[in-house]
Amino acid sequence: KQEVTQIPAALSVPEGENLVLNCSFTDSAIYNLQWFRQDPGKGLTSLLLIQSSQREQTSGRLNASLDKSSGRSTLYIAASQPGDSATYLCAVKNFGNEKLTFGTGTRLTIIP
Amino acid sequence: DTGVSQDPRHKITKRGQNVTFRCDPISEHNRLYWYRQTLGQGPEFLTYFQNEAQLEKSRLLSDRFSAERPKGSFSTLEIQRTEQGDSAMYLCASRTSGSYNEQFFGPGTRLTVL
Repeated sequence: KQEVTQIPAALSVPEGENLVLNCSFTDSAIYNLQWFRQDPGKGLTSLLLIQSSQREQTSGRLNASLDKSSGRSTLYIAASQPGDSATYLCAVKNFGNEKLTFGTGTRLTIIP
Repeated sequence: DTGVSQDPRHKITKRGQNVTFRCDPISEHNRLYWYRQTLGQGPEFLTYFQNEAQLEKSRLLSDRFSAERPKGSFSTLEIQRTEQGDSAMYLCASRTSGSYNEQFFGPGTRLTVL
């Protein structure tokens, strides 16, 4: 059974700093991994999707990496802004399985 | 707006009542998913449709829950005899057969059972 863990559960950093969010998973037979953003009381916004054959994906100030062998992914946010404050969730899709398995998220607060 | 839409956005009901939620996927997306998210947790998979066929159901989906996608377009999720433990955000997602399996989520329906 796939299990996804995100540590820390909450993180506060001053505006302008670069930061890294962590995601780990127990079953390395993944098809892909997605990073999402969720604002309070809202749905999920897809940020980046990494296929199992890829090492990283970039979109603007965001960079996600994937290391299947160690069961880890990181989301790097450059030059953080107050608007980046949200909960960040990672989710994995395993081969032969349609569902996404989510972590519990990291609640990020950027301090102006 | 061409994203996934859900209706209603909020629902307050009394214990024992039945509720129904609707999800309209992105046009041409043949795969549709329902997830449930409780406070402080990540979403948990409930069920999945490919066109009108319900192909997978989680053990979380008790007998009080039923989902349909009659014409392979919109979907409904019904909860019968609601319980306080059903209070959660119900999220719908959709994707095409390609698109690297990327799922796109709607805004969710927040259910509160009193």
